[in-house]
Amino acid sequence: DIQMTQSPSSLSASVGDRVTITCRASQSINSYLNWYQQKPGKAPNLLIYTASSLQSGVPSRFSGSGSGTDFTLTISSLQPEDFATYYCQQSYSTPQSFGQGTRLEIK
Amino acid sequence: QVQLVESGGGVVQPGGSLRLSCAASGFTFSSYGMEWVRQAPGKGLEWVTFIRYDGSKKYYADSVKGRFTISRDNSKNTLYLQMNSLRVEDTAVYYCAKGRDSNGHYGMDVWGQGTSVTVSS
Repeated sequence: DIQMTQSPSSLSASVGDRVTITCRASQSINSYLNWYQQKPGKAPNLLIYTASSLQSGVPSRFSGSGSGTDFTLTISSLQPEDFATYYCQQSYSTPQSFGQGTRLEIK
Repeated sequence: QVQLVESGGGVVQPGGSLRLSCAASGFTFSSYGMEWVRQAPGKGLEWVTFIRYDGSKKYYADSVKGRFTISRDNSKNTLYLQMNSLRVEDTAVYYCAKGRDSNGHYGMDVWGQGTSVTVSS
């Protein structure tokens, strides 16, 4: 099974900051890597699919990159509504798996 | 609008069974793979199971294999999760989610609101 490891587990940042979250797979997953945002009490929301494709309706300040085993999610200029938990997910093989999450908090 | 609505959650004793349903609307249900994802209280997301658009292939997490069964009725636009031999560690909010494609490789772009399952004596 493929393990997904995110770093950091938590992060404090200010509005306007540029933030990067990383995700590492235990083996190559090509570009089958997706990113989700989840706010408390809500369902997850797809931000990025296949490593770098922006989901429809998602602001362009979100971007993704990487392939193979190492991936990043970047938020170019944090907005107040971006404070949430972020998860990566591999869809290369079953069982699919999520990273443990990165909690993004207001500094 | 595109929508998924789960139902069937509740409180059950260890060893018991529950059947979750997920009613889909606003898209061609029969064209997309569907998944269940769960989240234990205060924990992260855990992928549970996937079913291909036509029901021909099903995959499960090791933690539920042999106890849970995913199915779909494309004539009713409904996804199901039959959960047997429930354990305390199955306690979670269960989300159904729509795949962006028929085979589950491109992420999950529509999610239900979740239904809560509590396994407790």
